[in-house]
Amino acid sequence: DAKTTQPNSMESNEEEPVHLPCNHSTISGTDYIHWYRQLPSQGPEYVIHGLTSNVNNRMASLAIAEDRKSSTLILHRATLRDAAVYYCILRDSGGSNYKLTFGKGTLLTVNP
Amino acid sequence: DTGVSQDPRHKITKRGQNVTFRCDPISEHNRLYWYRQTLGQGPEFLTYFQNEAQLEKSRLLSDRFSAERPKGSFSTLEIQRTEQGDSAMYLCASSTTGFDYTFGSGTRLTVV
Repeated sequence: DAKTTQPNSMESNEEEPVHLPCNHSTISGTDYIHWYRQLPSQGPEYVIHGLTSNVNNRMASLAIAEDRKSSTLILHRATLRDAAVYYCILRDSGGSNYKLTFGKGTLLTVNP
Repeated sequence: DTGVSQDPRHKITKRGQNVTFRCDPISEHNRLYWYRQTLGQGPEFLTYFQNEAQLEKSRLLSDRFSAERPKGSFSTLEIQRTEQGDSAMYLCASSTTGFDYTFGSGTRLTVV
């Protein structure tokens, strides 16, 4: 699986937008971009995924660069419950096992 | 369906003892995964089942580790002759399409 690069940590204030960046310069044409987050003492949970176009769901938005070498997860209004480790993962849609390769992720701190 | 269940949530064992963890996936998910997570790191892939067949094992899975998924339903992960280095969070996940990954809350193993 291709490698992603994320900042180790970021800080935000409650009710402000948060932009979490991810670089994936070696992405291939068949790689989906997935974002997961992990709250303390929990397993990772799915946030959003995309291939080429920007995506929105009830949790977040995903902005994908035109060359697909980077992406940004956008939390529109951070809450204290959004404090977690956020993982950006590339998954090859051509594979059949669908396993995920996690990096260290970005630890998001939300200040009240 | 209440998601992926893992049992026990916590396990403390003495070095050299055997331990077994159980995972109950989402019932309609045919793919099941085991991951291991140590402090400050992202989850690492251990093994993957499609229905009852174990199709991939990581090099991390030493001979002391064995996993089963009889009848393609629940799965067990056994560690024989535990070592202190086995102390970690063991996560189970299930999926069908690769876009519906659901993780359990994990089993935290402490080897003393």
